[in-house]
Amino acid sequence: EDQVTQSPEALRLQEGESSSLNCSYTVSGLRGLFWYRQDPGKGPEFLFTLYSAGEEKEKERLKATLTKKESFLHITAPKPEDSATYLCAVHGYYGGATNKLIFGTGTLLAVQP
Amino acid sequence: AAGVIQSPRHLIKEKRETATLKCYPIPRHDTVYWYQQGPGQDPQFLISFYEKMQSDKGSIPDRFSAQQFSDYHSELNMSSLELGDSALYFCASIQHSTGELFFGEGSRLTVL
Repeated sequence: EDQVTQSPEALRLQEGESSSLNCSYTVSGLRGLFWYRQDPGKGPEFLFTLYSAGEEKEKERLKATLTKKESFLHITAPKPEDSATYLCAVHGYYGGATNKLIFGTGTLLAVQP
Repeated sequence: AAGVIQSPRHLIKEKRETATLKCYPIPRHDTVYWYQQGPGQDPQFLISFYEKMQSDKGSIPDRFSAQQFSDYHSELNMSSLELGDSALYFCASIQHSTGELFFGEGSRLTVL
């Protein structure tokens, strides 16, 4: 069964303290791995899509990497405005037009000034 | 850039009532998804449509139904509402060829 596990569940950082979030996955065939940021009461905001092992993408203080079993979201010198829940989701090959994403439970990041 | 539009943003209903949520996808996106997110939970897939046909079904209760119309907007109909249906309901749209999924801001349903 396809599964996505994120760790840690919650992370508290001081402003400027770099760290990484982990997303481990098992999927029958990976079509893509997505990272989203979600603020309370709002819809997930798209950050990155990674398609193959070894791929990396960067956006401001965030960098996402992908291996065959997991993905990391590296946060460099975070600021308080980076505080949010970060969701990882995988999109597998299910045949036909099926495109559902399977989400992890997220990592709640709090960055203190 | 145009985003996924959902309405209403907030909805309060009594138990056993019905509710309808609407979703307008990003223009030229041909696939729409519905997700339900309870407090502190990750989004749970309900149902999806591709080119106006149901393409996949997740953990959607039999009391719920959905459809996609000719203009690609979608509606989620919920009947015999229960307290446990209180959640954020997200719609997302995707351009089938790229696979990148974009979410709306969500509709918050509260069942009293």
